Amino acid sequence: GAVVSQHPSWVICKSGTSVKIECRSLDFQATTMFWYRQFPKQSLMLMATSNEGSKATYEQGVEKDKFLINHASLTLSTLTVTSAHPEDSSFYICSVPRQEGNQPQHFGDGTRLSIL
Amino acid sequence: RKEVEQDPGPFNVPEGATVAFNCTYSNSASQSFFWYRQDCRKEPKLLMSVYSSGNEDGRFTAQLNRASQYISLLIRDSKLSDSATYLCVVSPGAGSYQLTFGKGTKLSVIP
Repeated sequence: GAVVSQHPSWVICKSGTSVKIECRSLDFQATTMFWYRQFPKQSLMLMATSNEGSKATYEQGVEKDKFLINHASLTLSTLTVTSAHPEDSSFYICSVPRQEGNQPQHFGDGTRLSIL
Repeated sequence: RKEVEQDPGPFNVPEGATVAFNCTYSNSASQSFFWYRQDCRKEPKLLMSVYSSGNEDGRFTAQLNRASQYISLLIRDSKLSDSATYLCVVSPGAGSYQLTFGKGTKLSVIP
């Protein structure tokens, strides 16, 4: 069964709206979670690493004030896209690191964000 | 140079065909290598890890050449259900959870 739950799976909203995406670790505690973004026909690009109880670590070129990350508990991280614009339309995926078997990360189902 | 580069594709092959995907990586310190499969608008799913000695899982064979920093995936007897995008993924390993993804190569298996 799924070990990471991501919600919502699909969002369509107007330009200027803020959108919150949740990522939950279902059966274990996660001090770290990763947030990725994938544009059509492009690779998954790491946006930021979410750290429980401290500030997220953002990758170069990712605006901290635009993409707010909160990792308030060991099972939940949220990504808020503030004042979203059409260029923010993308596929956002979270993942949880896990060294179980050969799987380094467990991915959520992803959120397809469409800004009109 | 991009960190992980793959064949641009798309690959359109008939059922039963054998298809090979290639991938090169730029970080020679990379320790762990994977092939993931991603269906349209879905999360990536681990297909197989890639080991130095090469490894096989049913119809899938992965090879690694550290000297050339090259990884390959061979799919034999292609099925319609193999249609997806195949992602080459590299990790520093040694306790690091970080993954670097290639753009992926799209495969369409045609009846």
